[in-house]
Amino acid sequence: AQSVSQHNHHVILSEAASLELGCNYSYGGTVNLFWYVQYPGQHLQLLLKYFSGDPLVKGIKGFEAEFIKSKFSFNLRKPSVQWSDTAEYFCAVSPSSGSARQLTFGSGTQLTVLP
Amino acid sequence: DTEVTQTPKHLVMGMTNKKSLKCEQHMGHRAMYWYKQKAKKPPELMFVYSYEKLSINESVPSRFSPECPNSSLLNLHLHALQPEDSALYLCASSQRTGGLDEQYFGPGTRLTVT
Repeated sequence: AQSVSQHNHHVILSEAASLELGCNYSYGGTVNLFWYVQYPGQHLQLLLKYFSGDPLVKGIKGFEAEFIKSKFSFNLRKPSVQWSDTAEYFCAVSPSSGSARQLTFGSGTQLTVLP
Repeated sequence: DTEVTQTPKHLVMGMTNKKSLKCEQHMGHRAMYWYKQKAKKPPELMFVYSYEKLSINESVPSRFSPECPNSSLLNLHLHALQPEDSALYLCASSQRTGGLDEQYFGPGTRLTVT
């Protein structure tokens, strides 16, 4: 079975600072990768996804992520955060093939952006 | 329309009550899911329906009973719950089952068991 690790549990940044949230997964085969965001009081929304192709993917709201296969990583980045980016961020992974193609979430990273 | 709706938004129930949570999507998605989310934790998969048939039950206690009346609706019937079942219950849908496609999540039902 696959697993996902998000090592940063709580990140606090000032506005305009750069962001990088770590995500590592464990699985022996090919995977699909996702970043979801949960703003306070709102539902989970997809930020970006990687299935294949260019390992650098761009998502909504200026976020991007890079898939590094050799490191089993899919880190989320944003060059300049805003106060409105305060939210919980979840990395998720699913196997690309096989019968157990279900989404597994990491434990989440709470991002607090100070104005 | 990329919306998944859930009712009710909040539910308080006693341990002997029977209640139901409802989820609806009109995106033509053929896979629907129930997740349980505790505060500050990731969603935990409970059930997966694919083409209106239950395909995955993640060893969920029988006091939770899912139902998929048609391709747009998903219910979760609750009976004899325990206080530790208090959580946010999320419904999601996707075009295909598993992690092949983006899952669209509803706002959830905040359940409190007293």
